[in-house]
Amino acid sequence: EIVMTQSPATLSVSPGERVTLSCRASQSVSSSLAWYQQKPGQAPRLLIYGASTRATGIPARFSGSGSGTEFTLTISSLQSEDFAVYYCQQYSDWPLYTFGQGTKLEI
Amino acid sequence: EVQLVQSGGEVKKPGESLKISCEGSGYRYHAYWIAWVRQMPGRGLEWMGIIYPADSDTRYSPSFQGHVTISVDKSINTAYLQWSSLKASDTAMYYCARQAVAGPYIDYWGQGTLVTVSS
Repeated sequence: EIVMTQSPATLSVSPGERVTLSCRASQSVSSSLAWYQQKPGQAPRLLIYGASTRATGIPARFSGSGSGTEFTLTISSLQSEDFAVYYCQQYSDWPLYTFGQGTKLEI
Repeated sequence: EVQLVQSGGEVKKPGESLKISCEGSGYRYHAYWIAWVRQMPGRGLEWMGIIYPADSDTRYSPSFQGHVTISVDKSINTAYLQWSSLKASDTAMYYCARQAVAGPYIDYWGQGTLVTVSS
């Protein structure tokens, strides 16, 4: 099983800041990496797939990069609605998807 | 508009059986894999398994194989997740989700079904 490790677990930030979240895979997943956002009481929402492609309707302030085992999600200028938990997921080892444990952005 | 609508929350006792559902609409239902994902209270996302409605091809995570059954009725665009004997540790939110056709990531999620197992 490919293990996904996200860091940090929690990040305290302020609106307007630039934020970078990290995700590491235990073995190469090429670019088969997605990012999801989950707000309290809501289902996750797809942000990024293919490591760097924004999903439909996702604002340009969200960007993804990386390949192989190291990935990042960057939010260029945090908005109040961006405070949430962010998960990375590899789908290289289909059908054995695995998720990271999540990074919580808090004010 | 793509929608995945899940059945309502359930409160069950240990040892009871349960089947929850996920109805898809707004797309060619039989052509997209449907996944089930568990989220225990205050925890992260765990992939449980996936099913292809066109032929009911089903794959399970080793962590969930033998503990749950995933099925589908393509005539009514509905996937199911069921337990034959619930445990308290099955208490969680369960999401169904659609796998994108362009690549095996998840592009749409259901609203979730909260299952509470308590004596």
